[in-house]
Amino acid sequence: DQQVKQNSPSLSVQEGRISILNCDYTNSMFDYFLWYKKYPAEGPTFLISISSIKDKNEDGRFTVFLNKSAKHLSLHIVPSQPGDSAVYFCAASWGGSEKLVFGKGTKLTVNP
Amino acid sequence: EAGVTQFPSHSVIEKGQTVTLRCDPISGHDNLYWYRRVMGKEIKFLLHFVKESKQDESGMPNNRFLAERTGGTYSTLKVQPAELEDSGVYFCASSQVSGPSDGYTFGSGTRLTVV
Repeated sequence: DQQVKQNSPSLSVQEGRISILNCDYTNSMFDYFLWYKKYPAEGPTFLISISSIKDKNEDGRFTVFLNKSAKHLSLHIVPSQPGDSAVYFCAASWGGSEKLVFGKGTKLTVNP
Repeated sequence: EAGVTQFPSHSVIEKGQTVTLRCDPISGHDNLYWYRRVMGKEIKFLLHFVKESKQDESGMPNNRFLAERTGGTYSTLKVQPAELEDSGVYFCASSQVSGPSDGYTFGSGTRLTVV
């Protein structure tokens, strides 16, 4: 009963192009969403978040879009850089809970 | 400032043995979390401390797992006796504020292999 789903295990893009990572969720109670980036042998690093009262949040090259009716969010990276190559995890929480529910991750490879 | 420190980084133990993982959070962070990632699966919540108190331990898989945070500083997670399915990467995270808004700071994890 996975509540946060990242259906693409991997994604490969060319340097300079846009990377779009997708995430779907099933629990309509989720009201806060986060993206983490993880390099091998390191812990996840917080990237960007969005509250359910918004539909978009930007931070530099990273933008997260939230479509509540579709229970879908996406992370856009523009332009993609080789250093962005990592595993990206989508996570969600609800009601101010400290507990995060993660997806399985998508491995992004940005080719020079 | 120093980040979240976990050790050991790797541990290989035999089924039935005991292992203790340690996490040193960022100084001043009252909130401490344990998560686990079994190979190829999602990262799953285990428990949350506020200072020395267990705020939420709903993710602890069974009574073979014991977490402590004496004095509200570092935390330990003991697995006794270890089973094969306990293998995975155990992450610790800490935060200063309550709630996920600051995204937490994760340690590099302890990779536990039970053979």
